[in-house]
Amino acid sequence: AQTVTQSQPEMSVQEAETVTLSCTYDTSESDYYLFWYKQPPSRQMILVIRQEAYKQQNATENRFSVNFQKAAKSFSLKISDSQLGDAAMYFCAYRSPNTGNQFYFGTGTSLTVIP
Amino acid sequence: EAGVVQSPRYKIIEKKQPVAFWCNPISGHNTLYWYLQNLGQGPELLIRYENEEAVDDSQLPKDRFSAERLKGVDSTLKIQPAELGDSAVYLCASSLGPISYEQYFGPGTRLTVT
Repeated sequence: AQTVTQSQPEMSVQEAETVTLSCTYDTSESDYYLFWYKQPPSRQMILVIRQEAYKQQNATENRFSVNFQKAAKSFSLKISDSQLGDAAMYFCAYRSPNTGNQFYFGTGTSLTVIP
Repeated sequence: EAGVVQSPRYKIIEKKQPVAFWCNPISGHNTLYWYLQNLGQGPELLIRYENEEAVDDSQLPKDRFSAERLKGVDSTLKIQPAELGDSAVYLCASSLGPISYEQYFGPGTRLTVT
């Protein structure tokens, strides 16, 4: 099974500053999808951003962007101009079309935003 | 548009008791997922439904866990009997189909077994 590793259990950032959350994954597949999900304390997970492995261009959604390094199997999330509402658990996830599109999640990074 | 609905939000039971969780996916979503999320961990898939068919239940502990989605809409996950180690959050998610790459999650049910 694919594994997803988030090596930073906790991160903190000053409001309005930029923070980068790390994610690496292990796979032998060439076609897959990568995601970052946000889980606020209310526990409802929401999609932040997604990346298709066949696309070389890094995905961007407003203040959120990724640095996708396919050869290195790295998928980091950059949050610019951090806001208090960004405080949450962030999960990196891998989706494989070859295993029934099953999602594999990392262990998460808890982000604290300091006012 | 209503999101994924789960109930109850919280449940406390004694070990060896049965418990059931209910999930109503977003209207029109054929694919439904049940996940287990332990404290400090990411979600782990328990079972995936395509309409009323369970297409991936390899991670479901079948000795005590069961699930159903009889009409291909809402779903129930049951544990009987519950054990202390079952304390966790049970998440339900849905998507338009198996190749639709976005999942929508419900708020989860936090189960505490005492």
